[in-house]
Amino acid sequence: QVQLQESGPGLVKPSETLSLTCTVSGGSISSKNYYWGWIRQPPGQGLEWIGSIYYSGTPYYNPSLTGRLTISVDTSKNQFSLKLTSVTAADTAVYSCARVLAGGGRHYYMDVWGKGATVTVSS
Amino acid sequence: EIVMTQSPATLSVSPGERATLFCRASQSVSTNLAWYQQKPGQAPRLLIYGASTRATGIPARFSGSGSGTEFTLTINSLQSEDFAVYFCQQYTNWPLTFGGGTKVAIK
Repeated sequence: QVQLQESGPGLVKPSETLSLTCTVSGGSISSKNYYWGWIRQPPGQGLEWIGSIYYSGTPYYNPSLTGRLTISVDTSKNQFSLKLTSVTAADTAVYSCARVLAGGGRHYYMDVWGKGATVTVSS
Repeated sequence: EIVMTQSPATLSVSPGERATLFCRASQSVSTNLAWYQQKPGQAPRLLIYGASTRATGIPARFSGSGSGTEFTLTINSLQSEDFAVYFCQQYTNWPLTFGGGTKVAIK
């Protein structure tokens, strides 16, 4: 059974870089059938799709975050990572990683999620 | 981007009753719609994909319907473990977008 676990600092200072890693266990990140994605939920708000990556390294970013966002994959460690630069209080959220069904170059739905990691942006 | 709107924000239901949740898309998403359940402190769980197909292991009391811009998630005979937040997600267009969620609370 595939499981995902987020890890990283829970507190980031404004203007600095938010970094999170998602470790995949119980399955290979190199599967051709899936993308690996990040989603966030600010306090009291809805879910926002951040972006995703294929095992080959091709990233897909939400246009609202392009320019600040980097998603990468390390197949040797079965991990993928998120870096968000120049953070502000608006980036405070629960960040979750998820496995996304893929097909024909398209993203579909998320069938496995991590529990989420709370990240607060504050000085 | 496609905006997903869920209603109501909160639904108070007694155990054993039926709950009906709605999700509307700002433009047609065909049947490229999924529903998830989230309980406090837990990872979201996929319930429905393709607007009406139950995911593996999901009880038959959960059903989804709709196409285009209007979708419904029905939970028949609510059990205690069904009180949670439910949200919808479209996967027709990039970026993927979610509804704001409906909290199903005990009446």
